[in-house]
Amino acid sequence: AQSVTQPDIHITVSEGASLELRCNYSYGATPYLFWYVQSPGQGLQLLLKYFSGDTLVQGIKGFEAEFKRSQSSFNLRKPSVHWSDAAEYFCAVGGSRTASKLTFGTGTRLQVTL
Amino acid sequence: KAGVTQTPRYLIKTRGQQVTLSCSPISGHRSVSWYQQTPGQGLQFLFEYFSETQRNKGNFPGRFSGRQFSNSRSEMNVSTLELGDSALYLCASSTGQGGGYGYTFGSGTRLTVV
Repeated sequence: AQSVTQPDIHITVSEGASLELRCNYSYGATPYLFWYVQSPGQGLQLLLKYFSGDTLVQGIKGFEAEFKRSQSSFNLRKPSVHWSDAAEYFCAVGGSRTASKLTFGTGTRLQVTL
Repeated sequence: KAGVTQTPRYLIKTRGQQVTLSCSPISGHRSVSWYQQTPGQGLQFLFEYFSETQRNKGNFPGRFSGRQFSNSRSEMNVSTLELGDSALYLCASSTGQGGGYGYTFGSGTRLTVV
């Protein structure tokens, strides 16, 4: 069965500092991996996705993620955090080519201090 | 291009009642998935519809059902509401079926059962 672990429930960083959010997955085949962001009371916005190919994926809002098969990880990074990045971040692993079920991690809440 | 539209945004129901939530996918998207988000259980997959057929189902009781119409719009229904059904219900649409497609989420319907 597929699963996703986000070990950090809450992270606080200063504005302008770098950010790395951790994500580990369990999946029997080549995974489809996603990072979503959710602001309070809102739905999920896709930041980036990995299907195949280059293991370093660029997303929106200056985010990037690196797929490391040997570590079963897909960590999200941003070189310089802005106060508007404060939100909850979810890592998800997608289903196979014939099943669209997404399995989400429990999320990491990011707080940005000025 | 309009996003995924979910109606209503907020809903208050009494235990034992039933409720119907609506989701209009992005134009051209044929796959619609539903998720339940609660503080305790996180984001959980309910079901997926593609071409008016349920293709995948999560681990929820039969009180949760859904359907998809020929124009790809989808509804989900919850009968005999319980207090534990209080949640944010999110709909996601995709161009095709399978994990290889990106998912766009709506803003959700916040259901409160009293």
